[in-house]
Amino acid sequence: QVQLQQPGAELVKPGASVKLSCKASGYTFTSYWMHWVKQRPGQGLEWIGEINPSNGRTNYNEKFKSKATLTVDKSSSTAYMQLSSLTSEDSAVYYCAKGEYGNYEFAYWGQGTLVTVSA
Amino acid sequence: DIQMNQSPSSLSASLGDTITITCHASQNINVWLSWYQQKPGNIPKLLIYKASNLHTGVPSRFSGSGSGTGFTLTISSLQPEDIATYYCQQGQSYPLTFGAGTKLELK
Repeated sequence: QVQLQQPGAELVKPGASVKLSCKASGYTFTSYWMHWVKQRPGQGLEWIGEINPSNGRTNYNEKFKSKATLTVDKSSSTAYMQLSSLTSEDSAVYYCAKGEYGNYEFAYWGQGTLVTVSA
Repeated sequence: DIQMNQSPSSLSASLGDTITITCHASQNINVWLSWYQQKPGNIPKLLIYKASNLHTGVPSRFSGSGSGTGFTLTISSLQPEDIATYYCQQGQSYPLTFGAGTKLELK
């Protein structure tokens, strides 16, 4: 069965960077785009961007272009998202989600990583 | 960016009711519209894709309709497990965008 494994939480200091992971299993990793979605506490969902694991091609939400960098490691079927210059506005749950059907529907989600930015 | 306007933002209903949530896109998105359900503390769950297609395993009391700029999610015979927040999402163009959500509560 499809699984996307994410660490539960990260505590980082303001101004620092963090690299979040999403380990995929149960399907051919390189056949489906991987998406990343942000959700602040009690708020809605924001699409950050997507990456094609077969060739590393990416598409970003312009809002996150200077904040997030998406990469993959095909050898371990793991997608990564690095967030830089963190502020309190970046405190949120970050989900990875597998593109499905036309690629833009998210049928499978990781459990999310709660990033807390605090001194 | 395509704006997705959901209404209502919150809704109270009784068990057994039929409820409808609407989503209006600021531009034509054809049928590239999905609906998600999110319960408190849980991950979003895909319900409907391509406006009216039921995702695998989703109960048939959920249905979706619409095309272009206007879409609806209908839940027939509301069950206790349907209490959640519902989001629409467009897949027509980048950046992919979500509605602000509709919080469904029991009356």
